[in-house]
Amino acid sequence: EAGVAQSPRYKIIEKRQSVAFWCNPISGHATLYWYQQILGQGPKLLIQFQNNGVVDDSQLPKDRFSAERLKGVDSTLKIQPAKLEDSAVYLCASSFWGGALDTQYFGPGTRLTVL
Amino acid sequence: AQSVTQPDIHITVSEGASLELRCNYSYGATPYLFWYVQSPGQGLQLLLKYFSGDTLVQGIKGFEAEFKRSQSSFNLRKPSVHWSDAAEYFCASGGGADGLTFGKGTHLIIQP
Repeated sequence: EAGVAQSPRYKIIEKRQSVAFWCNPISGHATLYWYQQILGQGPKLLIQFQNNGVVDDSQLPKDRFSAERLKGVDSTLKIQPAKLEDSAVYLCASSFWGGALDTQYFGPGTRLTVL
Repeated sequence: AQSVTQPDIHITVSEGASLELRCNYSYGATPYLFWYVQSPGQGLQLLLKYFSGDTLVQGIKGFEAEFKRSQSSFNLRKPSVHWSDAAEYFCASGGGADGLTFGKGTHLIIQP
C-alpha cells in the first residue's frame, strides 16, 4: 500500500516569495491534515479536510496561508508571502474517516527554509 | 484545551538497556493518547494508542505504554533498546475533529 506522498521534499525561498506544497493521501482516505513542525517542537495542526470540505482551520494564519482539496483527493498548501518564521517542516497526514479512533498516516514532509 | 508535556528533551540510553519516556497530558475527560516515532528523513509513525480499557497498551517494535489517570501520564517503555530505536519520539492527544496535539518531543540517543 502506497503511503502519503508529498512534494517537494525541500524548498528554499526568500522572504516575501510564494511557495506551494502538494500532498497525495493514501487512496480511499477521506480525511487530510496539514501540520507545521518548527524545529525543536512537535507538529501543530494547521488545517483538516473531510473530503473536500474544511473541518478545522482555526490555527491556519489565513492572511498568508491557504489550502485546498478540490476533488477530495490531492491537496495543496500555499504560503504567500512567506516570512522567516514560516521556516519549518510541513507534514501532510491522512486517515480513513477522521474519527478520534482513526490512525493518522504521515508523509515524509516538506522542509521549507525562508531566507 | 488539551496540552501534552514531554519533560525530557534528550535521553541517552545504552543499547540493551531499558527505556522509559515520559508524557503528561492535560485534559478534563479521558483523552485519546498516542505515541509516534520520527526517524531522520521519515514521516511520523504510530507506535501505539490508548482510548479506553486496559491501561497497559502494546505497540509495534516492542514498545508499550501505561495510562495512569491519577498521574495524568502516558509513559512509553521498552525493555531493551536497539541502536535502530534512536529517533525523535512524540506523545500526542486528541484526534478526530480536533486533530492531534503533540508534545515537543524527546530525542533518544542510543550509546553502543
